[in-house]
Amino acid sequence: EVQLVESGGTLVQPGASLRLSCAASGFTFSTYYMHWVRQAPGKRPEWVADITPDGSTQYYVDSVKGRFTISRDNAKNSVFLQMNSLRAEDTAIYYCVRLFENWGQGALVTVSS
Amino acid sequence: QAGLTQPPSVSKGLRQTATLTCTGNNNNVGNEGAAWLQQNQGHPPKLLTHRGDDRPSGIPERFSASRSGNTASLTITGLQPEDEADYYCLAWDSSLNAWLFGGGTKLTVL
Repeated sequence: EVQLVESGGTLVQPGASLRLSCAASGFTFSTYYMHWVRQAPGKRPEWVADITPDGSTQYYVDSVKGRFTISRDNAKNSVFLQMNSLRAEDTAIYYCVRLFENWGQGALVTVSS
Repeated sequence: QAGLTQPPSVSKGLRQTATLTCTGNNNNVGNEGAAWLQQNQGHPPKLLTHRGDDRPSGIPERFSASRSGNTASLTITGLQPEDEADYYCLAWDSSLNAWLFGGGTKLTVL
């Protein structure tokens, strides 16, 4: 059974940094693209970033380019999202996603003073 | 402007058929089609169809997808009370190098 478990969500002040982690199991992690998708309260989901199976290439939505970095550790079956210079509009539940078929339960990130 | 457009709401009767639409452009829906996801309040989205209309294991045949030009459609036959949810389309945009979600359609089963 595919499992994706996010961690690291919390309340932070504007301008702060935060690192989200996602532990994957139940599939051959090193052969899949992995995504981060976020959803603000009452809003549509928004794709944030993805990373190739070998970690060599990443794509980002324009609103996070230069602030967020996606990375992975295939030896530990984990994917990460480093978020810097956080803004109030980054407040959302952040989901770790495989193939858009498997979703974690999400990590809540709240950016507020 | 890039984006996927969905009607905000659709209402249909029990056991009827609902068709939800998602309109994009040649760089997204018209290029490689759209996937469809269902979301119930308080839960992560659930994939109903991949691009190309294949369904993940466990998704009933009542859910089917199609595409005509730059518009993708999700057809749900034999509507059940549990089908009442928000539905989102999702497509890769080759000009933006980004995945796009539609604005979502709230389906009400009367």
